[in-house]
Amino acid sequence: GAVVSQHPSRVICKSGTSVKIECRSLDFQATTMFWYRQFPKQSLMLMATSNEGSKATYEQGVEKDKFLINHASLTLSTLTVTSAHPEDSSFYICSANGDRHGYTFGSGTRLTVV
Amino acid sequence: DAKTTQPTSMDCAEGRAANLPCNHSTISGNEYVYWYRQIHSQGPQYIIHGLKNNETNEMASLIITEDRKSSTLILPHATLRDTAVYYCIVTTGANSKLTFGKGITLSVRP
Repeated sequence: GAVVSQHPSRVICKSGTSVKIECRSLDFQATTMFWYRQFPKQSLMLMATSNEGSKATYEQGVEKDKFLINHASLTLSTLTVTSAHPEDSSFYICSANGDRHGYTFGSGTRLTVV
Repeated sequence: DAKTTQPTSMDCAEGRAANLPCNHSTISGNEYVYWYRQIHSQGPQYIIHGLKNNETNEMASLIITEDRKSSTLILPHATLRDTAVYYCIVTTGANSKLTFGKGITLSVRP
């Protein structure tokens, strides 16, 4: 079945720095990918829809200048958390529409900003 | 996308069937019912989906009522590894976004 690889699985960064998270579709092409954020004991919250070759669509309340999304190819979308602060610490998850089952999710990235 | 309502939690004994209900009374004719589960600190895992007919795969069965306003996910023989948060989501599919509710926490006890 469809596989989505997300990297890194864990990252710790200093406050004020930027962090890039990669989401790759390994055996299929994804024109659309989705980025979610999940805080402890909460559900997944959709941040943005990443569209290959065009600008991402952000959900209400998500700062597009802080969470930069690039979807330059049919197999790779990246999320860059710019000028990270401790409140950005969270579990970030991507997904793509891969096969007849629909949506495949990455394994997530645990971001800790210190 | 239509909203879903699930109980907060439930438990079942290992080896028994786990029946997880979901209400989606405002579902549209072109919306599918999807079930995912999330084990702690992992990405959601696809379980099953359906439109109006009942579906079965190697993981579970999905029973959708005739009026499509509710459904039940059945794990026929629950194991300890099935302990997770289970999400019922309705969506038109294709490249439509998935909106997650709070899900139901299933605890399988020995």
